[in-house]
Amino acid sequence: GAVVSQHPSWVICKSGTSVKIECRSLDFQATTMFWYRQFPKQSLMLMATSNEGSKATYEQGVEKDKFLINHASLTLSTLTVTSAHPEDSSFYICSASLAGESYEQYFGPGTRLTVT
Amino acid sequence: AQSVSQHNHHVILSEAASLELGCNYSYGGTVNLFWYVQYPGQHLQLLLKYFSGDPLVKGIKGFEAEFIKSKFSFNLRKPSVQWSDTAEYFCAVNRAGGGNKLTFGTGTQLKVEL
Repeated sequence: GAVVSQHPSWVICKSGTSVKIECRSLDFQATTMFWYRQFPKQSLMLMATSNEGSKATYEQGVEKDKFLINHASLTLSTLTVTSAHPEDSSFYICSASLAGESYEQYFGPGTRLTVT
Repeated sequence: AQSVSQHNHHVILSEAASLELGCNYSYGGTVNLFWYVQYPGQHLQLLLKYFSGDPLVKGIKGFEAEFIKSKFSFNLRKPSVQWSDTAEYFCAVNRAGGGNKLTFGTGTQLKVEL
């Protein structure tokens, strides 16, 4: 199956700093990538949809200036959490869709962010 | 807005017991339906999916799910669970034509005891 990687797998940063998370589709070209947030013992909450070469579409309630998403190529999307605060601590998961294959998403392993 | 409900948050079964996990969604239009599994420490993996056709869908590892349109349901079943099925199971719905966006249920934590 299609493989999606994330880097880093975990990161600890100080309050007020920014942190970048990478999502890569390793063996296929992804026209669309999605960013989710998962709170402990809760479901995945879609944050934004990222299409290659265009601006990301954010879900209601997600601050686009805080969670910067860039999808520069068909294999790479990045999520930058700017001016991080402890409440941003969470598990961030990306997924990618194959070009031409609608609806099925392949998920990355997630990134655990802890803001101290 | 569509929503997805999974009524069982925690399920504990003994090996060889049968499993059924409930999933209901609220959207009245055409939907695509998914079940994902997340094993401890691993990423989400697709178990099975329904787009159209036969409402009884067979997936990997002996799982199957039945789409009942009149009940807005897509329950997951397995006739005989194994210890290795211990994981969290998520039902997800995609509105046809909705741009691939998935709405996830809250998940069901399944523990299979030896």
